[in-house]
Amino acid sequence: QVQLVESGGGVVQPGGSLRLSCGASGFTFSKFGMHWVRQAPGKGLEWMTFLRSDGTIEYYADSVEGRFTISRDNSDNTLFLQMNALRAEDTAVYYCARDLRGPYLDLWGQGTLVTVSS
Amino acid sequence: EIVLTQSPGTLSLSPGERATLSCRASQSISTYLAWYQQKPGQAPRLLIYDASKRATGIPARFSGSGSGTDFTLTISSLESEDFAVYYCQQRNNWPVTFGPGTKVDIK
Repeated sequence: QVQLVESGGGVVQPGGSLRLSCGASGFTFSKFGMHWVRQAPGKGLEWMTFLRSDGTIEYYADSVEGRFTISRDNSDNTLFLQMNALRAEDTAVYYCARDLRGPYLDLWGQGTLVTVSS
Repeated sequence: EIVLTQSPGTLSLSPGERATLSCRASQSISTYLAWYQQKPGQAPRLLIYDASKRATGIPARFSGSGSGTDFTLTISSLESEDFAVYYCQQRNNWPVTFGPGTKVDIK
């Protein structure tokens, strides 16, 4: 079954760190670029970051550049998002998504909720 | 950064009616636009890419048009499962940006 499954969300204090994972199955993960997109409660979609299939090119939204880092392990079919210096406004559901011919997002995970609160 | 605006914010229609959703870009993006559908508690689903190409498995009642700065998503005859929020997204420039969404609800 072609799918993406996020994990690693939870409650973290402001200033803290969290690492999200996204496991891929049912397709050749190493051939696809990957994205992270988030959605604050009751709000719209906000693109966060992209990583090329071979891990050599990455892009970030201004709102997270310098605080978040995207990475991948193609041998384990897993995408990561390291989030540091978290703020209350980072509270959201975080989705990983597969890139379709750069960049549209054609396969999404179910999302994992990150809550930044003291 | 390219800003996308969507109108209307909410569209109230009945099943069987035609829905017309608009997306406008702050600068020309050729045909580098996609549309997504999101239902409550679910992840978004890609409907249309390159302004008019239907994604795999998307019913023919969904169609997209436009180029430059003005784009339209049309649902020819609303089915019950089509009541959702619809987002446009541009891929002309980094960063990728999404519009704020149009909610299609039942009248």
